[in-house]
Amino acid sequence: KQEVTQIPAALSVPEGENLVLNCSFTDSAIYNLQWFRQDPGKGLTSLLLIQSSQREQTSGRLNASLDKSSGRSTLYIAASQPGDSATYLCAVPKHGSSNTGKLIFGQGTTLQVKP
Amino acid sequence: EAQVTQNPRYLITVTGKKLTVTCSQNMNHEYMSWYRQDPGLGLRQIYYSMNVEVTDKGDVPEGYKVSRKEKRNFPLILESPSPNQTSLYFCASSSDKVLRTDTQYFGPGTRLTVL
Repeated sequence: KQEVTQIPAALSVPEGENLVLNCSFTDSAIYNLQWFRQDPGKGLTSLLLIQSSQREQTSGRLNASLDKSSGRSTLYIAASQPGDSATYLCAVPKHGSSNTGKLIFGQGTTLQVKP
Repeated sequence: EAQVTQNPRYLITVTGKKLTVTCSQNMNHEYMSWYRQDPGLGLRQIYYSMNVEVTDKGDVPEGYKVSRKEKRNFPLILESPSPNQTSLYFCASSSDKVLRTDTQYFGPGTRLTVL
């Protein structure tokens, strides 16, 4: 059974710092891994999707890496800004013959960037 | 604009009073799904639909019903709501039923409180 874990649960940094969010998964047989952003009381916004054949994806100040063999992904945020404050979730699709099109989510890392 | 919409966004109701949360997508996606998000439990899939008239249970279907009469709409029905269904609900849709190549697009969420 696939399990997705994110550490730390919360992170507070001063503005301008580079930071790394971690995501680990127990079953390396994944199609892809996604990072989402969730603002308080709001929906989920897809940030980056990394296919299993890729090592990393970049979008602006965000860079996500994927190491399938070790079951890990990281989200790197460069030059953090107060507007980056949100909860970041990683997720992988349920894999295999019983696929229900379900995303399996980690618990999320709540990031606070202080001005 | 491509989007998933949900209504209502906020709802406070009482135990036993039937309610429906609507979900609509304008991307012609075949696959749609409902999740609930609870503190400490993360996002869990309630029901999903692979196409019109095809629905199936997710991980936590008890107390919920769905229907898929049209491709764009996937309402969530609570016949007799109870306080343990107080949660943040998300509808999602995707063009890829197994999420191998594409992400799920999420609605803005419906915050439901059952007194």
